[in-house]
Amino acid sequence: DAGITQSPRHKVTETGTPVTLRCHQTENHRYMYWYRQDPGHGLRLIHYSYGVKDTDKGEVSDGYSVSRSKTEDFLLTLESATSSQTSVYFCAILAGGLSTDTQYFGPGTRLTVL
Amino acid sequence: KQEVTQIPAALSVPEGENLVLNCSFTDSAIYNLQWFRQDPGKGLTSLLLIQSSQREQTSGRLNASLDKSSGRSTLYIAASQPGDSATYLCAGFNFGNEKLTFGTGTRLTIIP
Repeated sequence: DAGITQSPRHKVTETGTPVTLRCHQTENHRYMYWYRQDPGHGLRLIHYSYGVKDTDKGEVSDGYSVSRSKTEDFLLTLESATSSQTSVYFCAILAGGLSTDTQYFGPGTRLTVL
Repeated sequence: KQEVTQIPAALSVPEGENLVLNCSFTDSAIYNLQWFRQDPGKGLTSLLLIQSSQREQTSGRLNASLDKSSGRSTLYIAASQPGDSATYLCAGFNFGNEKLTFGTGTRLTIIP
């Protein structure tokens, strides 16, 4: 599992409240990713990070922000949660050599926005 | 923009049969292609990674192939078992960025 943990694993919140999800890794990998998974859409990239304080947007970044102040932690924040952000969120890291980069995923966070 | 397609969305096969899962991609400038397995309510587990210079990779009963010219990859599962039941996803990793583009997956059911 490449030492990836996510917290919380489950969360129920109300529309309009801020929510922060945490991804923690223990192996000092440079690249970290946040995805959401929804039926019919597969996994879609929200944001990713290529180093401390270095982040970039993915294909579904609206309504989300991220921060990475330490190599081991990558935080995803929903500034004002909406029902459309109900989803399962996965964190991933990129490991391997130049041509063998493999993504490893955390166990996921199930978020419900009421 | 890379697009990855997996057809069919669901497949049921009797135990013991060999089977092939399909993955198509639109951008042949692919760095590598990865196959994942996902069990219900769980995260993704990496099964095989094929580099752009390779044609195939094998791990146990699994064999994955990559044909960049036709934009296709296949995952072959030999002698299927009920424990192989899961959703299988493929994902392409393209030159110029460090991001995976996922297909929507094939949900495989092995019938005992």
